[in-house]
Amino acid sequence: GAGVSQSPRYKVAKRGQDVALRCDPISGHVSLFWYQQALGQGPEFLTYFQNEAQLDKSGLPSDRFFAERPEGSVSTLKIQRTQQEDSAVYLCASTSMDNQETQYFGPGTRLLVL
Amino acid sequence: AQTVTQSQPEMSVQEAETVTLSCTYDTSESNYYLFWYKQPPSRQMILVIRQEAYKQQNATENRFSVNFQKAAKSFSLKISDSQLGDTAMYFCAFMKTSGTYKYIFGTGTRLKVLA
Repeated sequence: GAGVSQSPRYKVAKRGQDVALRCDPISGHVSLFWYQQALGQGPEFLTYFQNEAQLDKSGLPSDRFFAERPEGSVSTLKIQRTQQEDSAVYLCASTSMDNQETQYFGPGTRLLVL
Repeated sequence: AQTVTQSQPEMSVQEAETVTLSCTYDTSESNYYLFWYKQPPSRQMILVIRQEAYKQQNATENRFSVNFQKAAKSFSLKISDSQLGDTAMYFCAFMKTSGTYKYIFGTGTRLKVLA
């Protein structure tokens, strides 16, 4: 089947704007992760969903970051009042119930805040 | 807290040669998983190989193999018969088997395969 998809692939925002990043996981995958990858760095965990429940949001850097997955499928990461330090690639990954160890990643959304 | 260290920011290798990428980690967990992911310039991360900590046998996937030294907390990746398509960023990742299954990544090694 299709892999993890993310949209938009690129987003330019002016400082102070709100943005919404979308993730479509692999069909049937119950777990969904968001990571932030700054330039030249490895991805860093932001938040985790199992179905529609957000079980871990310990990596969200501030209360400007909010994620949801209301129907247990598509997820949206929202960043309010964007700052320049929010510029990064945002990666989404999903896993199946019978192979929770292996994460399948999307292509990412590159966010540039000017 | 767990940490993952990749001490080689960049490496290069001639096509058809063998290269080894290093990774060390720190954890107090007794059971966990370790992974190597490849991230080509298109940025989609692809699983290369994974290792379960309780398995002593080193994992192998075609030209890719690992040297897992649990006591030393070392997990290196060996790529044999390097191909131009192996050019990418390689990330080492750690996942404990309790909790949320989140990955802890290293900072990556940029590998360039030379023709």
